[in-house]
Amino acid sequence: NAGVTQTPKFRVLKTGQSMTLLCAQDMNHEYMYWYRQDPGMGLRLIHYSVGEGTTAKGEVPDGYNVSRLKKQNFLLGLESAAPSQTSVYFCASSFTAGTGIRGTDTQYFGPGTRLTVL
Amino acid sequence: GQQLNQSPQSMFIQEGEDVSMNCTSSSIFNTWLWYKQDPGEGPVLLIALYKAGELTSNGRLTAQFGITRKDSFLNISASIPSDVGIYFCAGRYTSGTYKYLFGTGTRLKVLA
Repeated sequence: NAGVTQTPKFRVLKTGQSMTLLCAQDMNHEYMYWYRQDPGMGLRLIHYSVGEGTTAKGEVPDGYNVSRLKKQNFLLGLESAAPSQTSVYFCASSFTAGTGIRGTDTQYFGPGTRLTVL
Repeated sequence: GQQLNQSPQSMFIQEGEDVSMNCTSSSIFNTWLWYKQDPGEGPVLLIALYKAGELTSNGRLTAQFGITRKDSFLNISASIPSDVGIYFCAGRYTSGTYKYLFGTGTRLKVLA
């Protein structure tokens, strides 16, 4: 099993450009999440999905869109990139609601995508 | 936005020493989680806590759910070089939600 993979690993954009980050998981998890990590701050939830075809806003959703057309994939889009979106983006997945190792508390994270917007 | 305060922000310790770090919040949580992040990697869950006062171990790691439910502690005994990394706490507000508040992290460096 590859676990959670993210594409690309690094990207540099100019202000106003668009891009899509791809997250894929092979663990048959229902729930998937997108976070951003900034220096000196904890991970912040951007959007999440509780199943194929569903998405919901997290803590910092502005400027991002997401889609979950297939259970194993969760895409994060930036329509018009801004320097404030320079960050490391992490995707995570988990089993369905509940506690413990089979619940949402055990999130499996990808290796991250480092995005710089000039 | 709201964040969890972790202390200390960073620490250098000698191999073999014990390490203590904590996480505090102004909010009450039903679940506390502790993650470790290695350089260039995503966080990995170390310990999950579900009851106030609960003490849970994972090898050399021991974490406690504070009685006030507003804090949690992580101890690492007999540190080794591979303990290097950033340790994050996270709190989940109420059962049935999928949103977690993450701490700012404690960066641990172990001197051999």
